Formats: sequence, C-alpha cells, structure tokens
Amino acid sequence: DAGVTQSPTHLIKTRGQQVTLRCSPISGHKSVSWYQQVLGQGPQFIFQYYEKEERGRGNFPDRFSARQFPNYSSELNVNALLLGDSALYLCASSPSGGAADTQYFGPGTRLTVL
Amino acid sequence: AQRVTQPEKLLSVFKGAPVELKCNYSYSGSPELFWYVQYSRQRLQLLLRHISRESIKGFTADLNKGETSFHLKKPFAQEEDSAMYYCALFSGGSNYKLTFGKGTLLTVNP
Repeated sequence: DAGVTQSPTHLIKTRGQQVTLRCSPISGHKSVSWYQQVLGQGPQFIFQYYEKEERGRGNFPDRFSARQFPNYSSELNVNALLLGDSALYLCASSPSGGAADTQYFGPGTRLTVL
Repeated sequence: AQRVTQPEKLLSVFKGAPVELKCNYSYSGSPELFWYVQYSRQRLQLLLRHISRESIKGFTADLNKGETSFHLKKPFAQEEDSAMYYCALFSGGSNYKLTFGKGTLLTVNP
C-alpha cells in the first residue's frame, strides 16, 4: 500500500478562484481528516469524515467544504480564495477516526494563492 | 475551547544529553493526547499516545492532569531524533477533532 495519497502536489491559484484537493486513504480506512498547515505553525484541523458523514469541523469559514465518496476518498473544496489560504493542506486517514486510531498522513498539497 | 501549547519553538541539545519537550493543554473533558513527529522530508507520523503508555524510540510521555501537561522525554538524545515534534489533543463527542500545538524543532548536535 502506498499510504495516503494526495493530488495535486502543488497548485497555484489567484484570489477569488476555487480549488479542489483530493485524497485517497489507506485501503480499509473509513475516516479521512483534513488539516491546513501554514508555514511555521502546526496542522490546523478543518474537517473529519467517517462513512461519508461529516463528524468534525474546525473553525474555518463556509468557503471551505468537503465530501467523502463511497470508496472513502475525499475532496476538499475552497471557494473565493484569499491570499491567507496559501498553505500546505494535509489529509490523514484512519480506520474509524476515533481516539484509539493512529492517523496516517499524506504528503500534502502545497497551495499558493497569488 | 481546547488548546495545546508548546512553549518552545526551538530546542537544541547535544548527543547523549537528556531531552524534554514541553506540552500543556487546556480541555474540559478527559484528554486523549498524542505526540506526532516529522523527520526531514518525511510525512507527519505518530510517535506515541498516552492511552497505550508505550515507549517508542526511547521516548516516553506522562500525562499529568494536575498540571495539564504531557511532556515528551528521552534520557539520552541521538542525532536521528532531530525532527519537528507536535503535541496533539483528540476530542470526540459531537465534534471529532485533533488539535495540534505549534510544534518544537529539536536539533541534536554531535
């Protein structure tokens, strides 16, 4: 298993545009979480999905949305991009997303907003 | 609201010296705490969690509810321990989330 995969690796957008980031979890994992990591900071939680349902949401504006598909892959959408959305976006998968789970992280998607 | 604080952004020690990375938390419920590590050019990965009370790569962490701390310790640091370390707190209930601290960059000098 290649582990958690994310696409694309890098992305450059301009202010006001919309972006979609993709994540494929480890086979057998039913939970996917999304994080934003700004340079010099720790990952900041955006969403957790389990069995296609949103189970957790961080303090992000409604411009951020996500969904999980029947094969447990996930997409993160960000609308009306701002310069401050420039960051590394991390996806993590786990069997159930619970406290006892280990979260396995992907390599991230580097988003630059100009 | 839950919060994780890592007061040291940078920590530098010599090989063989003891190391302690500090983590304090704020949470109204019973905390589930973790240490994650990111080595150079590698993905973020779990180092240890307090619920399993395990020792990984010589590191241990004890939850002190009175001081709301979960400090990471190793008696003799190795050069390969140089990495970014993040403390994290899990909350469940109606809103599952994993809250990370800002991280401490540990450098172990030869």
